[in-house]
Amino acid sequence: DQQVKQNSPSLSVQEGRISILNCDYTNSMFDYFLWYKKYPAEGPTFLISISSIKDKNEDGRFTVFLNKSAKHLSLHIVPSQPGDSAVYFCAARTNAGGTSYGKLTFGQGTILTVHP
Amino acid sequence: DTGVSQDPRHKITKRGQNVTFRCDPISEHNRLYWYRQTLGQGPEFLTYFQNEAQLEKSRLLSDRFSAERPKGSFSTLEIQRTEQGDSAMYLCASSLGVPYNSPLHFGNGTRLTVT
Repeated sequence: DQQVKQNSPSLSVQEGRISILNCDYTNSMFDYFLWYKKYPAEGPTFLISISSIKDKNEDGRFTVFLNKSAKHLSLHIVPSQPGDSAVYFCAARTNAGGTSYGKLTFGQGTILTVHP
Repeated sequence: DTGVSQDPRHKITKRGQNVTFRCDPISEHNRLYWYRQTLGQGPEFLTYFQNEAQLEKSRLLSDRFSAERPKGSFSTLEIQRTEQGDSAMYLCASSLGVPYNSPLHFGNGTRLTVT
């Protein structure tokens, strides 16, 4: 059961334009969402996060939007740079508490390519 | 460098052999996680520790897999009687216990190939 889904395996954008990466989830117990970036031969690196009590969080060129009613979040990168080319993973945490506290569930990832 | 360290980076083994991986978390992090990633998929949760206590194990973690964190510092993940389906990237991550939304910091992983 894929509780976090990234339906676009890849995205290609021109340098300077906006990149929009999408993520859908099914578990209504998720209350905290994160985006990770992964370069080849490296582990995922934390990028930005958002709590379910917010609908937007911004950090420099990166903005995450959350639509709880649609169970959808997106990551906007503007302007996109060639160095942003990587695999982006959406991840979610449950508020169920107990021993599941803190565990992340990841999507399949989207490969972003930013062309110069 | 004070990030999460994993050893070895690569491991090639023959089917049926046992392998052990090591993870050294960020020193002040009391939570440690093991994930597995296969090609085209996101990381899948295997297990995690709060200090030395193993608090949760995924159904993915068959009885051939065992993880330990004996003194609440480094952790080992052992796979016994390896199978070709165990070939994957094994990722270790660590985080603070509080606040609850502390992000996970990942190591660069151990790539296991079972021939």
